[in-house]
Amino acid sequence: DGGITQSPKYLFRKEGQNVTLSCEQNLNHDAMYWYRQDPGQGLRLIYYSQIVNDFQKGDIAEGYSVSREKKESFPLTVTSAQKNPTAFYLCASSRTVGNTIYFGEGSWLTVV
Amino acid sequence: GDSVTQMEGPVTLSEEAFLTINCTYTATGYPSLFWYVQYPGEGLQLLLKATKADDKGSNKGFEATYRKETTSFHLEKGSVQVSDSAVYFCALTEGAGGTSYGKLTFGQGTILTVHP
Repeated sequence: DGGITQSPKYLFRKEGQNVTLSCEQNLNHDAMYWYRQDPGQGLRLIYYSQIVNDFQKGDIAEGYSVSREKKESFPLTVTSAQKNPTAFYLCASSRTVGNTIYFGEGSWLTVV
Repeated sequence: GDSVTQMEGPVTLSEEAFLTINCTYTATGYPSLFWYVQYPGEGLQLLLKATKADDKGSNKGFEATYRKETTSFHLEKGSVQVSDSAVYFCALTEGAGGTSYGKLTFGQGTILTVHP
């Protein structure tokens, strides 16, 4: 099946540890995105990538890092510098920038 | 910058009631407008979209019309079902040339609960 796969679905980490969230898509989309969702709020853009080996900061990039070494993969690392990492993280992709954006199922990260 | 404002929730309706969720926006140029739906514990699914003024997006009985004169994109459904219970997000992307081209700006979401 074509789609966007995020893993793991649920992740618990101790404060001060880095954690990497996986995002893979088999839609042959050029653009990929990471959003963060907090309870009762809309989604906020962390990073996006228009094409392989390229990415740009979104509105809340501090404390996060990404890489885009392959077209189908866009992993997000939540570093210890992120002050409030507990949230729901959503990966998304689009055929190119400007086309309709489709979302994965999300990953819940809880930092204790 | 761009912004999207949705009506305050939560919205609670009985089955077969009429639904309206208001959405207004502020954007430069000619944005594309979207409604996404999020079921409990899941990611977002695209519900419908409209890319230019007066376009009507529709899907699964939901409709929304792109009204440039009122900068609105209200979501409507004539008869809701229990299975429509979810969080609904209005969103926009700027048109080509805009500084936020291709990136979604979301409203805060509206929780809809439909009772039998």
